[in-house]
Amino acid sequence: DAKTTQPPSMDCAEGRAANLPCNHSTISGNEYVYWYRQIHSQGPQYIIHGLKNNETNEMASLIITEDRKSSTLILPHATLRDTAVYYCIVRVGPRNAGNMLTFGGGTRLMVKP
Amino acid sequence: GAVVSQHPSRVICKSGTSVKIECRSLDFQATTMFWYRQFPKQSLMLMATSNEGSKATYEQGVEKDKFLINHASLTLSTLTVTSAHPEDSSFYICSASDRNYGYTFGSGTRLTVV
Repeated sequence: DAKTTQPPSMDCAEGRAANLPCNHSTISGNEYVYWYRQIHSQGPQYIIHGLKNNETNEMASLIITEDRKSSTLILPHATLRDTAVYYCIVRVGPRNAGNMLTFGGGTRLMVKP
Repeated sequence: GAVVSQHPSRVICKSGTSVKIECRSLDFQATTMFWYRQFPKQSLMLMATSNEGSKATYEQGVEKDKFLINHASLTLSTLTVTSAHPEDSSFYICSASDRNYGYTFGSGTRLTVV
């Protein structure tokens, strides 16, 4: 699986958009970008994933650059409950359920009042 | 959506005793389950991959005789920490994998060995 690079920490004001970047310059053509988050003392929670098109769901938006070497997770209106560690993971698609997820250091997002 | 139930959420045990952690997929069949360990302020580290009906595959440095994994059905995997020591104190998290739902994580088990 391709390695990812994320800033170790970020702050965001409550109500503002949180933009979390991720570099994955060695991504392969069949690898997806997944985002999970982990709130303190809980298991990781799936947020969103994509291959090459931008994706949006009720939690967030995922913007993937045209060359697929980087992506940005956008939380449009961050709340205090969005304070968590956000992990960007690159791996082969969801149908390949037999392979594990490899977690990097993630970005610790602190949403402040 | 897919739900994975992990039990217990917290456990305190004495050194030398064994502790069993259960991971259940509630509304889907999980052919593969994964066990992770997480120390304070660190990321999740994969311990082993559990496949239903076969032996688990352990990551390098993880003692298979100490961390016993059983995946006897498509909805249940168990991790038993045998002869626990204080250094085994950690946050243990399971993940169940399915072709339709992808990866779903349990809520984790905080193990404290005293």
